[in-house]
Amino acid sequence: GAVVSQHPSRVICKSGTSVKIECRSLDFQATTMFWYRQFPKKSLMLMATSNEGSKATYEQGVEKDKFLINHASLTLSTLTVTSAHPEDSSFYICSAREAGSYNSPLHFGNGTRLTVT
Amino acid sequence: SQKIEQNSEALNIQEGKTATLTCNYTNYSPAYLQWYRQDPGRGPVFLLLIRENEKEKRKERLKVTFDTTLKQSLFHITASQPADSATYLCALAGSGNTGKLIFGQGTTLQVKP
Repeated sequence: GAVVSQHPSRVICKSGTSVKIECRSLDFQATTMFWYRQFPKKSLMLMATSNEGSKATYEQGVEKDKFLINHASLTLSTLTVTSAHPEDSSFYICSAREAGSYNSPLHFGNGTRLTVT
Repeated sequence: SQKIEQNSEALNIQEGKTATLTCNYTNYSPAYLQWYRQDPGRGPVFLLLIRENEKEKRKERLKVTFDTTLKQSLFHITASQPADSATYLCALAGSGNTGKLIFGQGTTLQVKP
């Protein structure tokens, strides 16, 4: 089945530093990937839609200069949290959809727990 | 704006019983609806998709209904097992053909042996 690999699973960084999270589709091509953020006992909040070869589309209220998204290939999207602050601590999850169908199920990575100290 | 509501209270049931979870939505008419399972510290896993022209969908012990008049989906797990304990999320297609999914807050199910 379709597998999405997300790394790292956990990261602790100091305030002011940047952190990069990778999301790879291992056995399928993904023209579109989605980045979500999840707070404890809360739902997934869509941050941005990452399109291969073009700029990401950010949801309202999400700072594009703070959360840099790059989708350089059909199997890799990265999210970089720049100048991280404690309030950026959260669970970040990427997802991907197989190319060719806009309403097929999403395949999720296992998330990255970011802690900013 | 689109709003999706799931019962935020945890659902506790006895093993062997049927669990029924509810997903209500407003200000929207989605073409389809999906259900996912999420275990603690993990990403969601897709379970079922039901389209607006389908009343019911089944997969093994799972059953989903979709009532576009009531703007509601029900998710049933029959003969529940402790391994079914998890958080279940419903998701609706975002407006426009963007492929975005908007998630409800999820309902945590606890099946007791």
